[in-house]
Amino acid sequence: GAVVSQHPSRVICKSGTSVKIECRSLDFQATTMFWYRQFPKKSLMLMATSNEGSKATYEQGVEKDKFLINHASLTLSTLTVTSAHPEDSSFYICSAGAGGGGNEQFFGPGTRLTVL
Amino acid sequence: AQKVTQAQTEISVVEKEDVTLDCVYETRDTTYYLFWYKQPPSGELVFLIRRNSFDEQNEISGRYSWNFQKSTSSFNFTITASQVVDSAVYFCALRGSNYKLTFGKGTLLTVNP
Repeated sequence: GAVVSQHPSRVICKSGTSVKIECRSLDFQATTMFWYRQFPKKSLMLMATSNEGSKATYEQGVEKDKFLINHASLTLSTLTVTSAHPEDSSFYICSAGAGGGGNEQFFGPGTRLTVL
Repeated sequence: AQKVTQAQTEISVVEKEDVTLDCVYETRDTTYYLFWYKQPPSGELVFLIRRNSFDEQNEISGRYSWNFQKSTSSFNFTITASQVVDSAVYFCALRGSNYKLTFGKGTLLTVNP
């Protein structure tokens, strides 16, 4: 099946720094990538949808200036958490789809962010 | 608006018991897709099944089976002869015409030896 990677898998940073998370589709071209956030023992919440070459579409309540998304190619999307604070600590998961409603999204392994 | 309800927050069973995880959904779309995912402690989501709204046939895959009832908007998941390795959080999800996945809150399944 399709493989999606995320890097890094874990990151610990100081408050006020910015953190970049990469999401790559390794063996297919992803026209659309999705970014989710998951708090401990909670469900996955969609943060934004990114399409290659265009601006990301953010869900209501998600600060676009705080969570910068760049989908520069058909195999790479990045999420940058700017000026991170402890409340941004969470598990971030990306998924990639090849388009079409019948295709499932392929999920990355997730990135655990801890902001001290 | 789409909504997925997994009423069971936690379930605990003893190995070899059968267990059913419930999922009820709401959508106004006539064409939609339903999914089940497994999330072990490592965190990675494991895809289990996809069903489209026009296919109400139940499906069996090894010890796993799924019961799709459109009349009650339910898509329940049964594990027969559960094993310790089945312990995980299981998510039911719905995708409608906007291609966005809406997840239920998940059911934590613990299978004790």
